[in-house]
Amino acid sequence: SQTIHQWPATLVQPVGSPLSLECTVEGTSNPNLYWYRQAAGRGLQLLFYSVGIGQISSEVPQNLSASRPQDRQFILSSKKLLLSDSGFYLCAWTRDLIYEQYFGPGTRLTVT
Amino acid sequence: DQQVKQNSPSLSVQEGRISILNCDYTNSMFDYFLWYKKYPAEGPTFLISISSIKDKNEDGRFTVFLNKSAKHLSLHIVPSQPGDSAVYFCAASAGGSNYKLTFGKGTLLTVNP
Repeated sequence: SQTIHQWPATLVQPVGSPLSLECTVEGTSNPNLYWYRQAAGRGLQLLFYSVGIGQISSEVPQNLSASRPQDRQFILSSKKLLLSDSGFYLCAWTRDLIYEQYFGPGTRLTVT
Repeated sequence: DQQVKQNSPSLSVQEGRISILNCDYTNSMFDYFLWYKKYPAEGPTFLISISSIKDKNEDGRFTVFLNKSAKHLSLHIVPSQPGDSAVYFCAASAGGSNYKLTFGKGTLLTVNP
């Protein structure tokens, strides 16, 4: 069976500090991978998606970037965090040509 | 521009009764619709989906109805249980765009014992 991991689970970072969130998927190959953010009181906003190694598409121009160094690894980064980057970050995966996405447990990021 | 709208931020029902969660969309290119359930501090869990070629899909206590002409879908939960208390997100996809999902803002369902 497939499993998706995210870490860390929670993170408190000062404004201006860097960020690295990691997501890995087990039990499948060549998944489509997605990063979402849920800000307080809001829905799920798609940030980035990737259909293969090194292939990243950005949905919303902002202070964040994503990379996919390995087939089942997806990383969300920032060089300098802003207060507005606070939120709940979710990674999701799906197989190609499949609509249903499966989510990881999420990372709660608080920028202070 | 919000393409998927869940106009009720919250809904409260009694245990054993029906819960009806509603969702409206504006993009006529959407051809697949999904419902997710989310508990606090956890990732969303896929519940049920429906293709635009159907108008109803049922899975146990959960039924999703799609009205394409009205661009409206709903999720029915019968009977509602206290464990169903969670935030429910409606999502839609236009398929060819890398199967990206567009989510609504969610509806908090509270099922009272």
